[in-house]
Amino acid sequence: DQQVKQNSPSLSVQEGRISILNCDYTNSMFDYFLWYKKYPAEGPTFLISISSIKDKNEDGRFTVFLNKSAKHLSLHIVPSQPGDSAVYFCAAQRGSGNTGKLIFGQGTTLQVKP
Amino acid sequence: EPEVTQTPSHQVTQMGQEVILHCVPISNHLYFYWYRQILGQKVEFLVSFYNNEISEKSEIFDDQFSVERPDGSNFTLKIRSTKLEDSAMYFCASTGGLTGAGLGTEAFFGQGTRLTVV
Repeated sequence: DQQVKQNSPSLSVQEGRISILNCDYTNSMFDYFLWYKKYPAEGPTFLISISSIKDKNEDGRFTVFLNKSAKHLSLHIVPSQPGDSAVYFCAAQRGSGNTGKLIFGQGTTLQVKP
Repeated sequence: EPEVTQTPSHQVTQMGQEVILHCVPISNHLYFYWYRQILGQKVEFLVSFYNNEISEKSEIFDDQFSVERPDGSNFTLKIRSTKLEDSAMYFCASTGGLTGAGLGTEAFFGQGTRLTVV
């Protein structure tokens, strides 16, 4: 099941710079897209989401962009901080009310260097 | 802040044995899920549960697996006759808390149970 793909297994950026994590999907029927962050030995933690009817959602340092025609979304973190170092999962969901199953990408490990 | 609690954090079991993984979802949530992550692979959906019945299950969730909400607060995943390939992190999640608008919320995950089948 490759409906959601994160093609970059890892990303390294300098503290203070922008981190851009990318995600592609194949199913045009998805209604929501979400980003989760995961530290070792912990469960995924919700970060930010976007509805399929929008193209941008911003929350503090985190912005998610959605390009439906390209079936592509990205997460921008600016400025990046060392505490942002974690695995970031892109996920997609069908249905209203955020109650459908999540389909995850493989994850991208972000390392923010001081 | 409300959280999803999973026990145990680590379970080691002999192949062929039955295991039960425990979860306490967030109290006002209505939808419950189990996911798993085999080492080095993506997080995979197993099953969703709503109104005391399974609402959706994946191909992975065969007759070896079952879920139960025995007492209104716990949500369990039972794996009968465990196999080596069942070794993974198992995550419980819940969502669907009732807000003022009656909308669902994003899924909250527990910290996971690492199951090792030997």
